Amino acid sequence: AQSVTQLDSQVPVFEEAPVELRCNYSSSVSVYLFWYVQYPNQGLQLLLKYLSGSTLVKGINGFEAEFNKSQTSFHLRKPSVHISDTAEYFCAVLKSSSNTGKLIFGQGTTLQVKP
Amino acid sequence: DTAVSQTPKYLVTQMGNDKSIKCEQNLGHDTMYWYKQDSKKFLKIMFSYNNKELIINETVPNRFSPKSPDKAHLNLHINSLELGDSAVYFCASSPPGPGVGYGYTFGSGTRLTVV
Repeated sequence: AQSVTQLDSQVPVFEEAPVELRCNYSSSVSVYLFWYVQYPNQGLQLLLKYLSGSTLVKGINGFEAEFNKSQTSFHLRKPSVHISDTAEYFCAVLKSSSNTGKLIFGQGTTLQVKP
Repeated sequence: DTAVSQTPKYLVTQMGNDKSIKCEQNLGHDTMYWYKQDSKKFLKIMFSYNNKELIINETVPNRFSPKSPDKAHLNLHINSLELGDSAVYFCASSPPGPGVGYGYTFGSGTRLTVV
């Protein structure tokens, strides 16, 4: 079975500072990895995904993530955050051979960007 | 045009009542899902339908019954509502076959409050 651990429940950061949101996964099989963002009272929006190929993945809104197979990690980074990045961020894993599309989510990380 | 739309957005009801949440997608996707987000923001899959066929049925009380009249619609009916059913319910869809790896499109959620 797959599992996802987001290592920080809350990350406070000042505007224009860099940020890293950490995600580790556990799986005995090949997986796809995703980061989703949830703004207050909204649904989830895909930020970026790793399916194969280059381990550095660029997404929307200036975010990027690096897949590290040896450390089973998929950390999300942004070099300079804005107030508008304040939201809940979810890491998720999908078995690459899945024919059901069942996503396993981490517990979420609240990013709080302060002025 | 909303890609995945859920109605209602908010639902407040008394214990013991029966209620339904509707979901429609206009993306032409074959697979639709229901996820539950609890008060701690943890997301967990409940059901998945592929072209009207149930393919995932997690350990959900049988008071919850999904119905898919066609592949563009997936409704969730809940009988005998309990306080613990209070949560945000998200509908989502994904493309067929290997496309499940390309990520979901989520609806904006239905906030159910049982009083």
